[in-house]
Amino acid sequence: KAGVTQTPRYLIKTRGQQVTLSCSPISGHRSVSWYQQTPGQGLQFLFEYFSETQRNKGNFPGRFSGRQFSNSRSEMNVSTLELGDSALYLCASSLNGGGADYQETQYFGPGTRLLVL
Amino acid sequence: SQQGEEDPQALSIQEGENATMNCSYKTSINNLQWYRQNSGRGLVHLILIRSNEREKHSGRLRVTLDTSKKSSSLLITASRAADTASYFCATVSGAGSYQLTFGKGTKLSVIP
Repeated sequence: KAGVTQTPRYLIKTRGQQVTLSCSPISGHRSVSWYQQTPGQGLQFLFEYFSETQRNKGNFPGRFSGRQFSNSRSEMNVSTLELGDSALYLCASSLNGGGADYQETQYFGPGTRLLVL
Repeated sequence: SQQGEEDPQALSIQEGENATMNCSYKTSINNLQWYRQNSGRGLVHLILIRSNEREKHSGRLRVTLDTSKKSSSLLITASRAADTASYFCATVSGAGSYQLTFGKGTKLSVIP
């Protein structure tokens, strides 16, 4: 099976622009989560989607949004980019969103590195 | 927000030595997981330990969990240069969403 794929891998934008990142989960996986990684704040949870529904969102402003399609592919969007949005954005998928007791493995993609100038 | 802290922040050892990393967390958990990240790439799942387990082994990895102290440790035995990476612990609290809360990580360097 192919792993989690993310596109694009690298992106350069300027302040004020918006950006859309894409994530294709492992085939058959219904849950997709997004994380932001920065040197200062580390790895932070953005949101999780399960069967097209957002189940949870981290402590990020409304400029960060996402969605999941019926084929489980997910996109996240950041509007009005700020310098502080420069980060590695990681997507992870799991088969059933953790399962009954959240014991499932989450599989991470290689990430999209976003640089905001 | 970060759930906890890893200790040490950086660790440098010789190939063949054992490496021990510690992780502390703040809230009650469903399980605790350890991940490896090579040079700012994606995370690789290493091992999961449930809240009712005290120790778990996987190959050269040994994880312990002490829920009374809210801490965990990861031991890598007989380290190899290929183990050079950052290691993160992540907790899962459940409650309707599969959300990982990560620590800040330990950067391990294994010198050949």
